Amino acid sequence: KQEVTQIPAALSVPEGENLVLNCSFTDSAIYNLQWFRQDPGKGLTSLLLIQSSQREQTSGRLNASLDKSSGRSTLYIAASQPGDSATYLCAVRGGSGGSNYKLTFGKGTLLTVNP
Amino acid sequence: AAGVIQSPRHLIKEKRETATLKCYPIPRHDTVYWYQQGPGQDPQFLISFYEKMQSDKGSIPDRFSAQQFSDYHSELNMSSLELGDSALYFCASSLEQGLGRNTGELFFGEGSRLTVL
Repeated sequence: KQEVTQIPAALSVPEGENLVLNCSFTDSAIYNLQWFRQDPGKGLTSLLLIQSSQREQTSGRLNASLDKSSGRSTLYIAASQPGDSATYLCAVRGGSGGSNYKLTFGKGTLLTVNP
Repeated sequence: AAGVIQSPRHLIKEKRETATLKCYPIPRHDTVYWYQQGPGQDPQFLISFYEKMQSDKGSIPDRFSAQQFSDYHSELNMSSLELGDSALYFCASSLEQGLGRNTGELFFGEGSRLTVL
């Protein structure tokens, strides 16, 4: 059974700092990996999708990497802003013996960027 | 751009009542997913449909059922509601067939908040 772990559970940084969020998964036979952002009581916004054959994806100030063999992904946020404050969720699709028709989520990292 | 539409956005029910949530996927998306998110929890997978056929099933109670219709919209039916069913219910959709850069990417709706009293 695929399990996803995110570290740290919470992070508080001053505005302008660069930061890294970590995600690990137990089964490396994944189909793809997505990073999401969730504001309190709101829906999930897709930030980046990394296919299993890719090593990284970039969008604006965000860069996500994938090391499938070690079961790890990182989300790098450059020059953080107060508007980046949210919960960041890592989710993987697939795994040995499982289907590709579901995402398994980590418990998220609650990020607070202080002005 | 069109997003995933969920209705209703808020729903209040009494215990043992029935509720139906609706989801309209992004046009041309062929797969729909349902997730349940309790307070302070990560989203838990309930069920998914690919081309109107059930493609995977997660921790969905027997009291719940779902289907995807010919127009690709989906409905989640919940019966004999319990207090513990109070949660945010998300629908997501994706396009699984194709070679576009977004193939396999899930897009979520804003959710339906169910409160069971």
